[in-house]
Amino acid sequence: SQQGEEDPQALSIQEGENATMNCSYKTSINNLQWYRQNSGRGLVHLILIRSNEREKHSGRLRVTLDTSKKSSSLLITASRAADTASYFCATDSGGSYIPTFGRGTSLIVHP
Amino acid sequence: KAGVTQTPRYLIKTRGQQVTLSCSPISGHRSVSWYQQTPGQGLQFLFEYFSETQRNKGNFPGRFSGRQFSNSRSEMNVSTLELGDSALYLCASRPGTGVEKLFFGSGTQLSVL
Repeated sequence: SQQGEEDPQALSIQEGENATMNCSYKTSINNLQWYRQNSGRGLVHLILIRSNEREKHSGRLRVTLDTSKKSSSLLITASRAADTASYFCATDSGGSYIPTFGRGTSLIVHP
Repeated sequence: KAGVTQTPRYLIKTRGQQVTLSCSPISGHRSVSWYQQTPGQGLQFLFEYFSETQRNKGNFPGRFSGRQFSNSRSEMNVSTLELGDSALYLCASRPGTGVEKLFFGSGTQLSVL
């Protein structure tokens, strides 16, 4: 079963625009991660934010976490065609540290 | 360091057959996890192995099994294949079970006819 759910399911933007994806989850978490997957390939880790953190940055990526609303957002600034991919949030809770993934947001950036 | 290596990349089987998928983790990583990815269900956790022991298991039938060798390489086996087993099977490694970040292989695309 999915713990996190991304929104929107699909997003289509022009190069240079910002892309915002959201993730909502159901139970308390230890950490929330964002991953990226190019078509038919493995996932690549982008960023991790812990439950006691509110915001993290990595290059053109900005992640926020609101534990009171059980939600997170991933912002990609100045999007490029190469950012075209599916983006997944993954949460872990309890002592297992097993990330549970959402269904992903499919991002298309038009050149 | 070499990344996570999964073989084969593509596999076609027929219903009722069995299949074995292989995963070589990043050198030094002792934890290997397996995920099934389908368009309908997304990414579903199968199991995790650490030091040759299964540490965590997802909600899959007993037809799905795995093992890990002393060199941390892992294999996943699916017996009595069903059409619904068609999926991308992803292997991921990490240094230990308490480390959150996963390093994924490119996956094995299994088609069951």
